[in-house]
This record gives sequence, C-alpha cells and structure tokens, in this order.
Amino acid sequence: DTAVSQTPKYLVTQMGNDKSIKCEQNLGHDTMYWYKQDSKKFLKIMFSYNNKELIINETVPNRFSPKSPDKAHLNLHINSLELGDSAVYFCASSHQGAGPYNEQFFGPGTRLTVL
Amino acid sequence: AQSVSQHNHHVILSEAASLELGCNYSYGGTVNLFWYVQYPGQHLQLLLKYFSGDPLVKGIKGFEAEFIKSKFSFNLRKPSVQWSDTAEYFCAARSNDYKLSFGAGTTVTVRA
Repeated sequence: DTAVSQTPKYLVTQMGNDKSIKCEQNLGHDTMYWYKQDSKKFLKIMFSYNNKELIINETVPNRFSPKSPDKAHLNLHINSLELGDSAVYFCASSHQGAGPYNEQFFGPGTRLTVL
Repeated sequence: AQSVSQHNHHVILSEAASLELGCNYSYGGTVNLFWYVQYPGQHLQLLLKYFSGDPLVKGIKGFEAEFIKSKFSFNLRKPSVQWSDTAEYFCAARSNDYKLSFGAGTTVTVRA
C-alpha cells in the first residue's frame, strides 16, 4: 500500500563508488522529484520529472543523473561518490501543476553514507 | 526563487503547552504555502496547506496555520501539544513553478 517507495532505505559505500537509488509511486502521479536533506535537516530540491521529461534541474553536480523509465519511476544514479554526498535523499510525487490538490507525497527516504 | 525562513531552530515545551512556529516567505505574488511534519525516522507528511480563501487553515492532528499576506507569514499553531507531536516541522512555499522551497525546519521536543 506504500504510495511512494524508495530502495534501499540505507546505503553505505566508499568514496569513488557509483550507486543508484530507486523510487516508485503508485499514486498515478505524473510528476516526480528528488530532494536532498543534509545533516542540518535542510531540504533542497534536486530534480523534477514530468511525464518522463526533466522540468527542474537545480545546481547539482553532473555526477548526479536522474532517470525516469516511466511516469511511475524516477531513479537517481550517483557517480564517483564524495563524502559531501552523505545525506538523506527523498523522492516525492504529485500531479502536474501548482493547483490546490497537487501536494507532494514523499517517500521514506534513503540514508546515504559515504565513507 | 522563493526563500522560506523559520524563526525557531529548536523548541522545547511541556505537554498541554501551546505551540506556535514562525514561517516567512519571500515571494510577493501568488504563493501556495505548506507545513510538513517529519516524525523521527519517518518521511515528510503534509499537515496543512493554503492556496486561497480563508487565511486560517485547519490541518490534521489539531494543527492550524494563519496566512497573513501583509507580513508574508504563515505561522503554525496548536493550542495543546502532546508528546507524540515531537518531530521536525517544515514550512514550504511554492510560487508559479513546480518548485517547493523549504525552510530550514524547526525541531519540536515535547516533554511528558
């Protein structure tokens, strides 16, 4: 019944490795997002896809590459991991647009630790 | 782009006390406002939202927020907190694009 799910929940890896985080939503939404929450709990949007097209791309290192195989999935691939990438990554989804019913639903988060 | 500021970093209070968390946003045009809550170890959940109409918005779990346009504020309130309200609270704002800008969050600790 999980609306927005992410895997894995925890990810511990060495510097320099490449890793992926997967996100899936079963809400029928057409827009999905990736947020990064740093150690001070500050949440910042990284990417957003609408109908598999990139619509928001904040200032994020190009080591981060989102991929949306279909409307229900938005994966995040990170190359050459660095210590500063350690954070909690949240996926979210919503209907398109900024209307009153287009609230974002968040996944449980993936805690990434880079050693 | 929007910027959102939350005045309190950490609030500690006793059960049954009243809670008010401050939030200010920067955008002068049409804005949608949200309060999210993050319980320990859990994901963000929407408490309430404002799009238009009555500036006093009621949310879940007894929370409410008041939109004051002249002050660019959207403060969150609860008249009587419970231990289970211990969580991180985030104010967020969205203007004409899809971007949701979050404040830095306020940690609320309720002591039994």
